[in-house]
Amino acid sequence: QSALTQPPSASGSPGQSVTISCTGTTSDVGGYNYVSWYQQHPGKAPKLMIYEVNKRPSGVPDRFSGSKSGNTASLTVSGLQAEDEADYYCSSYAGTNTDVFGTGTKVSVL
Amino acid sequence: EVQLVESGGGLVQPGGSLRLSCAASQFTFNRYWMTWVRQAPGKGLEWVANINEGGSDKYYVDSVKGRFSISRDNAQNSLYLQMNSLRAEDTAVYYCARPYSRNAFDLWGQGTMVTVSA
Repeated sequence: QSALTQPPSASGSPGQSVTISCTGTTSDVGGYNYVSWYQQHPGKAPKLMIYEVNKRPSGVPDRFSGSKSGNTASLTVSGLQAEDEADYYCSSYAGTNTDVFGTGTKVSVL
Repeated sequence: EVQLVESGGGLVQPGGSLRLSCAASQFTFNRYWMTWVRQAPGKGLEWVANINEGGSDKYYVDSVKGRFSISRDNAQNSLYLQMNSLRAEDTAVYYCARPYSRNAFDLWGQGTMVTVSA
């Protein structure tokens, strides 16, 4: 039940793309296609942005996309906008009806 | 409006107990697993516990096993977290969340703050 590893920070200029990695093990990220991503603004509850590796809930812009290779999942935000500045967390199913979150990445829009 | 509303947080001394509640509204509560997630001040999200639709199956992060108990009352559309033997490191905002599908938490409450301090 160790937290998934994310870079502490990432940044980009408006209109650019930023990609955040999320590294786990074969017991979580690598073992299941159940990886999700959450956006959290200060003082607010998290918001689901991606689920099942690359699926977007209704209402989430298609600027947000997800992928996975081996034990590492990634979230890409294309066409960065000021409102994308937030903390982002990955999460993975970890077997036996348990879940695990990542360490979090602060995305800054320069 | 489809929503989750937590309550029951507060200040408690180390070793004390607290019971959190989460009231669900405007969705068929008994068709969903439910989850507690916490976030210590300035820190990341941590999954705490899951419970299945009927309340018979419960799963916990290792750090709370034997101290916390997740439960639900489907007749009252409510989720609970009984927290015993509280420690300073349990200080956090506690969120209840609904998994739309496995590991996809699409609905979150506003959170309730638990502070464990003497």
